[in-house]
Amino acid sequence: DTEVTQTPKHLVMGMTNKKSLKCEQHMGHRAMYWYKQKAKKPPELMFVYSYEKLSINESVPSRFSPECPNSSLLNLHLHALQPEDSALYLCASSRGLRETQYFGPGTRLLVL
Amino acid sequence: AQSVTQLGSHVSVSEGALVLLRCNYSSSVPPYLFWYVQYPNQGLQLLLKYTSAATLVKGINGFEAEFKKSETSFHLTKPSAHMSDAAEYFCAVTNFGNEKLTFGTGTRLTIIP
Repeated sequence: DTEVTQTPKHLVMGMTNKKSLKCEQHMGHRAMYWYKQKAKKPPELMFVYSYEKLSINESVPSRFSPECPNSSLLNLHLHALQPEDSALYLCASSRGLRETQYFGPGTRLLVL
Repeated sequence: AQSVTQLGSHVSVSEGALVLLRCNYSSSVPPYLFWYVQYPNQGLQLLLKYTSAATLVKGINGFEAEFKKSETSFHLTKPSAHMSDAAEYFCAVTNFGNEKLTFGTGTRLTIIP
């Protein structure tokens, strides 16, 4: 089983809203990732968690706040986003850092 | 430092024809190389990976790739294209000393009936 699930599939939010994206895996992976993907572009790494600790933050604006409550779950809290933050947000997990990453289906976010 | 170059942002092939998607990498240490496929409005699916074992790697859906160190290449091939192969394909590289996966810019594959 190489499934990573993400909810919601679609999200529309205003610039003053607070929302959260959720990612879950039950493969026993200890590394989890958030990527942002704009149309016709490759994914851009945002955050990496290893053993539930933040390992990499790619200088992401503070309006994006990641959280890893346990080894199976990864959240991305969103607050005061801008229209340019509209994108596909992908979650991935791997057995460990530098191991093969498996991606979820993504959450398509539209900020109005 | 590591990077990936995918030659050809768009490739069109006829149904039943050979598919060849090009990927060249740059890595200061032995690389781990991946091909991912992304269908419209979906996430990335792993097609195949090279992690220093056999240089010819077979993946899902009839795809394979050959690691050529002398050419720093990892091109993706499929002998006979199918309509369902139409998608965006990303080559990616990492290595033992790097926590990040670096993606190429992607190649959009179109299949002509």
